[in-house]
This record gives sequence, C-alpha cells and structure tokens, in this order.
Amino acid sequence: EAGVTQFPSHSVIEKGQTVTLRCDPISGHDNLYWYRRVMGKEIKFLLHFVKESKQDESGMPNNRFLAERTGGTYSTLKVQPAELEDSGVYFCASSQGALGSGNTIYFGEGSWLTVV
Amino acid sequence: GDSVTQMEGPVTLSEEAFLTINCTYTATGYPSLFWYVQYPGEGLQLLLKATKADDKGSNKGFEATYRKETTSFHLEKGSVQVSDSAVYFCALGYSNSGYALNFGKGTSLLVTP
Repeated sequence: EAGVTQFPSHSVIEKGQTVTLRCDPISGHDNLYWYRRVMGKEIKFLLHFVKESKQDESGMPNNRFLAERTGGTYSTLKVQPAELEDSGVYFCASSQGALGSGNTIYFGEGSWLTVV
Repeated sequence: GDSVTQMEGPVTLSEEAFLTINCTYTATGYPSLFWYVQYPGEGLQLLLKATKADDKGSNKGFEATYRKETTSFHLEKGSVQVSDSAVYFCALGYSNSGYALNFGKGTSLLVTP
C-alpha cells in the first residue's frame, strides 16, 4: 500500500515567486493535515481537512498560504508570493479517523522549500 | 499554551550504548504523548505513544513512560543500533482534536559502530 506522497521533494525559488506543493494521502483516508518545520524550530500544525472541507486552518501563518483539497483526494498548498521566512520542510499527513479514535497519523517525507 | 521541550542534539552514541532523550511538556489539559522518528530520506513515523498518566509506550526496544508529576515523557533504549540513527520528535495531542499535534524541535541521534 502506498504511503503519503509529496511533490516536489525539493524546491528552490526566488522571493516573490509562487510555489505549489502537492500531497497525495493514503487511499481512503478522509483526514489530511499540513505541518511545517522552519529550520531550527518545531514542527507546526498548519491545517486539517476532512474530505474536502477545512476543519481547522488556525495554523496557517498568513494569507499568502492557500490550501485546497478539491474532491477530497489530493491536496495542494500554494505559497504566493513566497518570502524568505517560508523556507522549511512542509509535511503532509493523513489518517483514516481522528487521533482519539486510536487511528495513527501517517506522514509523508516532506517537501523541502528554499526561498532565496 | 501547550508546548514540548526536547534536549538539544545532536546525540552521538556508540553501538550498544544506553539511550535517553529527554522530553518535558507544558499542557493545559490531559494530552496524549507521542514519540515520532524520522529516518534519513523518510517521513515521520509514529514510534510509540501513551494516552494517560503512568502509561508506558514501547516499540522496537524503545520505551517512554508518561510521568504527570514531572510532566515528562523521556525516550529510552537499552542498547542502540546503527540503524537507530534518526531524528526523534516528542509531541503531544488531545483526543478531541486529533490533528493539531504539538511537536518538540527534534533530537538528532547518530549511532556509530
């Protein structure tokens, strides 16, 4: 069974450009999460989808970040325009149910973003 | 707010040495506690978890006990192997909000032959 896959694995863009990160969750997982780890900092929650609906986007840093999950399958996270402080690793994760029901959250390998 | 503090790395050990990675937390409620591991080139994997005070999580020879009195969840392994080299993350989360895990900064472990 395929795990959570993310694309691209690495991206280097200039300040002011746009980048779109994609996440394909494990098949059948309704819950999809985005997290971010800025260098030297903790991994921070960004948002949570249940199917195509945003359950919680309280962790999104500002309106330059836009996440979508059309059709409730894969998700994209767009950064526009990118700033230097957006550099870091963006993790996607998915789960069949919520944490409290005993389900496990599965993480992807992450998308490394460098803004220069 | 809630937070997780881990010991700073990197930690370098010889094979078969005893491992302890300290983790303490601050929480407003009664969270579940987790250890995640990221091996080189791979995603985060759940290593073990504990859902209430005094619970002990264990997996692959690693153990951690949920200590409410000391607000700690230290990771231990009696004899590390080279294949344990990875980054270890302590995290907390609540059963009624399963998505917003709070992570520590991560501790890099290098085990040498």
